[in-house]
Formats: sequence, structure tokens, C-alpha cells
Amino acid sequence: DAGVTQSPTHLIKTRGQHVTLRCSPISGHKSVSWYQQVLGQGPQFIFQYYEKEERGRGNFPDRFSARQFPNYSSELNVNALLLGDSALYLCASSLYSAVSTDTQYFGPGTRLTVL
Amino acid sequence: AQSVTQLDSQVPVFEEAPVELRCNYSSSVSVYLFWYVQYPNQGLQLLLKYLSGSTLVKGINGFEAEFNKSQTSFHLRKPSVHISDTAEYFCAVSDRGYGQNFVFGPGTRLSVLP
Repeated sequence: DAGVTQSPTHLIKTRGQHVTLRCSPISGHKSVSWYQQVLGQGPQFIFQYYEKEERGRGNFPDRFSARQFPNYSSELNVNALLLGDSALYLCASSLYSAVSTDTQYFGPGTRLTVL
Repeated sequence: AQSVTQLDSQVPVFEEAPVELRCNYSSSVSVYLFWYVQYPNQGLQLLLKYLSGSTLVKGINGFEAEFNKSQTSFHLRKPSVHISDTAEYFCAVSDRGYGQNFVFGPGTRLSVLP
């Protein structure tokens, strides 16, 4: 079975632009979470979606938004990009979402560079 | 709110030597604890997790961790490391409420030397 896939692998944008990152969860998984990993730091939780509904949100500005589609894939959108948005964006999927005992499986990430 | 401290940003160790990676957490509520590994250019992979019960948790690749509630620690150990263990290791906590809001530590870079 394929693991969590993310596209694109790398992305270069300029300040003020908009970006869309995509994630396909493991087949059968219904929960998708997004994390931002700035170089040299641990991942920071951005969003969790389950059954197309937002189930959790981290401390990120409204420029960050996400959605989940009927096939459980997900998009993360970031508007008005800032230099500080440069990071590795990780997607993780799990079978359910109710409790954090459910193992999350991470994708390889999308490396976003904002110039 | 929870927070995680990983006291060592880098740990160099020779092959076949033992290693301990330290993790301390802060939380006002009971938590679940996790260790993840990140190999270069890859996503995170779960090594082990503590949910309840025995405080000694065994994970994949020969790693184990011990939960110490009084010291709020969850240190990761391996008795004999291999070159292939070279990676970034992250400790994470999650409260026992609804959802999967993980708080990760800053990571420890383990370098295994020949």
C-alpha cells in the first residue's frame, strides 16, 4: 500500500503570493493533519481534518486554511506569503481522529521557500 | 498547554555504543508521550508511544523509553547503535482529550560514528 503522498515536493514563491499544498492519505484513513516544520525545529500543528470537518487548529494566522475532500485528500492553503512561512510542510494521516492514541503516518513533506 | 524540552540538540556516539536521548515535558493534565524519528529528506516515523500501563515502552529498531511521572521525563535509549540510526529524533506529547494536537520538541540530532 502507498504511504502518505504530498505534492509538490518543492516549491518556490515570492512574498505576497498564494500557495496550495496537497496531501493524499493512506487508503482507508479518514483523518489528515498538517504540520509546519521550520528548519532546526520540531513540527508545529496547524490543522486536523476528519470526515471533511475541521477538528483541531493550532496557533496560526487566518492566512492559513485547509479543507478535506470526499476522498479524504486534503489541501493546505496559505495566502499573502511571508518570508517566515518558509518551511517543510508535513501531512499526516490516521485511521480515526478521536484520540491521539491513533498512530499518525507522515508524508515526506513539501519544502516551501518564500523569497 | 503542553511543552517539550529536548536538552541535547546534537548527540554524537560511536557505533555499537549505548545512547540516551533526553526528553522532559510540562503539562497541567495527563498526557500521552511519543518518540518519532526523521531520516534525511523523509517524513516522521513513529518509534514508540506511552499511553498507559508499564512505564517501560519498547519500540521499533531496538529502541525503548521509560516514562517517569515524578521527573516528567520520557528518555529514549538504545543499548547498541548502528550507523543507520543516524537521524533526527523528536519527542512529542499530546493531551488525552479529543483530537490529535501534538506538541513536538525541537529535536535531537543523533550522529553515529564508525
